[in-house]
Amino acid sequence: DAEITQSPRHKITETGRQVTLACHQTWNHNNMFWYRQDLGHGLRLIHYSYGVQDTNKGEVSDGYSVSRSNTEDLPLTLESAASSQTSVYFCATGTVELPATNEKLFFGSGTQLSVL
Amino acid sequence: AQKVTQAQTEISVVEKEDVTLDCVYETRDTTYYLFWYKQPPSGELVFLIRRNSFDEQNEISGRYSWNFQKSTSSFNFTITASQVVDSAVYFCALSEAPQGGANNLFFGTGTRLTVIP
Repeated sequence: DAEITQSPRHKITETGRQVTLACHQTWNHNNMFWYRQDLGHGLRLIHYSYGVQDTNKGEVSDGYSVSRSNTEDLPLTLESAASSQTSVYFCATGTVELPATNEKLFFGSGTQLSVL
Repeated sequence: AQKVTQAQTEISVVEKEDVTLDCVYETRDTTYYLFWYKQPPSGELVFLIRRNSFDEQNEISGRYSWNFQKSTSSFNFTITASQVVDSAVYFCALSEAPQGGANNLFFGTGTRLTVIP
């Protein structure tokens, strides 16, 4: 069965360190997204990609970067981790059924990141 | 500006009771999409339903039903005869067109449902 794999499931790091969260999907979806989930805010979009070599900023992109070198992977990098980036991070993938039509999203199981 | 409000932060019901989760949205677009996602204790988000703004028909899927009312900007979710496995956090979300796509998907803050055996 197709799936989305996020790793690690839990990560503890120190302020100022660079951290990369992995997202690997076998759905063969072009669209991939990174969200963060915080109490009182729901899920907020960090970055997204509509295909290889395509990346775009979302609502809360400051301090984060992504790269898309193949269809399957969209790693999320925290350039210099800050305590405000302690959160649960979700990767999602989706299909585009028609142009400008909203796709159904499939979510990974999340990565709990703690920045101390 | 778009906004999704889930005023109920937490709800507890006893098994077999019916429960309704409220979702109120704001948007200036005439074309938009509404979603419900379930987040069980395992963490991953599970897609439940997508509804476009031109389709106000209520939908039923097993014990789940959704009531979309444009007049009150609401998209409420009812679980009939709740079960312990329904315990989860439920998110309502809004996406606007033509920019719409998941890049323009706005989530509510979620409602944590606990079903007590």
